[in-house]
Amino acid sequence: NAGVMQNPRHLVRRRGQEARLRCSPMKGHSHVYWYRQLPEEGLKFMVYLQKENIIDESGMPKERFSAEFPKEGPSILRIQQVVRGDSAAYFCASSPRRGDEKLFFGSGTQLSVL
Amino acid sequence: TQLLEQSPQFLSIQEGENLTVYCNSSSVFSSLQWYRQEPGEGPVLLVTVVTGGEVKKLKRLTFQFGDARKDSSLHITAAQPGDTGLYLCADTRYSNSGYALNFGKGTSLLVTP
Repeated sequence: NAGVMQNPRHLVRRRGQEARLRCSPMKGHSHVYWYRQLPEEGLKFMVYLQKENIIDESGMPKERFSAEFPKEGPSILRIQQVVRGDSAAYFCASSPRRGDEKLFFGSGTQLSVL
Repeated sequence: TQLLEQSPQFLSIQEGENLTVYCNSSSVFSSLQWYRQEPGEGPVLLVTVVTGGEVKKLKRLTFQFGDARKDSSLHITAAQPGDTGLYLCADTRYSNSGYALNFGKGTSLLVTP
């Protein structure tokens, strides 16, 4: 069973560019969570999605950030017009059902904004 | 959002030593999870504790949940270099939308041979 797959592992963008981070959940999992880890800080919840639905986006910045989980294909976290403060490790986690406390995390995407 | 304090922030010990790291909350935990995160990787769940006073063991790791469910500790016996990593505690905040984990900043452990 493949685990949670994230790509790319490393992404370098210049200020003002767009960043697209992809996450394929574990087989059989239809619930996806995105977290951000900044240096010297803990993991911060961003958004929780189910197929074709955003369930909880209370941790998402109001501007420039969006997420989707289409019926087919991976979940995408999109950051428009990146700034240096967006540099961080972005982790995706998945679970098979709502209310399942056990989350499986991917290896993350390290975003560096020059 | 519930504030989770982990201590110590950094810990460097030699192989074979014992250690304890702590996680404290400003309010009662719903339930608490401990994770280990290795450099360049995502967190991996070690244990979930739910009941006040609960003790769980995972090989050389012993997890305790405080009676009042506001604190927890992780004790490692005879640490090995493979135990090196960032140890995170997380409160499982459940809303009507599902689980969103609230993490502490972690304890960074280095075990040297």
